[in-house]
Amino acid sequence: GENVEQHPSTLSVQEGDSAVIKCTYSDSASNYFPWYKQELGKGPQLIIDIRSNVGEKKDQRIAVTLNKTAKHFSLHITETQPEDSAVYFCAVAGGGADGLTFGKGTHLIIQP
Amino acid sequence: ETGVTQTPRHLVMGMTNKKSLKCEQHLGHNAMYWYKQSAKKPLELMFVYNFKEQTENNSVPSRFSPECPNSSHLFLHLHTLQPEDSALYLCASSQYKLAGNNEQFFGPGTRLTVL
Repeated sequence: GENVEQHPSTLSVQEGDSAVIKCTYSDSASNYFPWYKQELGKGPQLIIDIRSNVGEKKDQRIAVTLNKTAKHFSLHITETQPEDSAVYFCAVAGGGADGLTFGKGTHLIIQP
Repeated sequence: ETGVTQTPRHLVMGMTNKKSLKCEQHLGHNAMYWYKQSAKKPLELMFVYNFKEQTENNSVPSRFSPECPNSSHLFLHLHTLQPEDSALYLCASSQYKLAGNNEQFFGPGTRLTVL
């Protein structure tokens, strides 16, 4: 089955700086790569996703890049703000599975 | 709010109890999912339902029994659970099952504690 590795497990950045979270996956047939943000006491919420036919997607301060050859994708958050503090999960779908396979999560801490 | 509601939000049960978790989606979706979120582990897919039919059971023990009476409601029936089953149980829905790469919406989860 699919295996997803996510790094780092904890990331602390100064407010206003950029944050980058990276994920690798194992199944070359995977074709959908969402990123979720989970705040305390809430379920995961989709913040951005990318499909295998594109290499990069941007939405205001958030961007995702995908390298299908190397089987890795990354989340980039620029001009970080205190409300960006949360746990971020990468996930992978496709290759025959009906659900998402998640990474272990990254606890992002924005230092004021 | 994501349009997916779960009740109860918190549940404490003994190992001999029988309880049920409920999920309802107000998005007109056709696929629903149960995930388990344990501390320091990735979210684990448990069950997938597409148009009320179960399409995936990810080797889940029989003490967890799902039920999907219609495309808007999903239940997880629990009986004779173990302490290691304590976790956050998340329900999600999407327009179609993820083989079609559809955005998945999550509910807030039920925090389950098994004593």
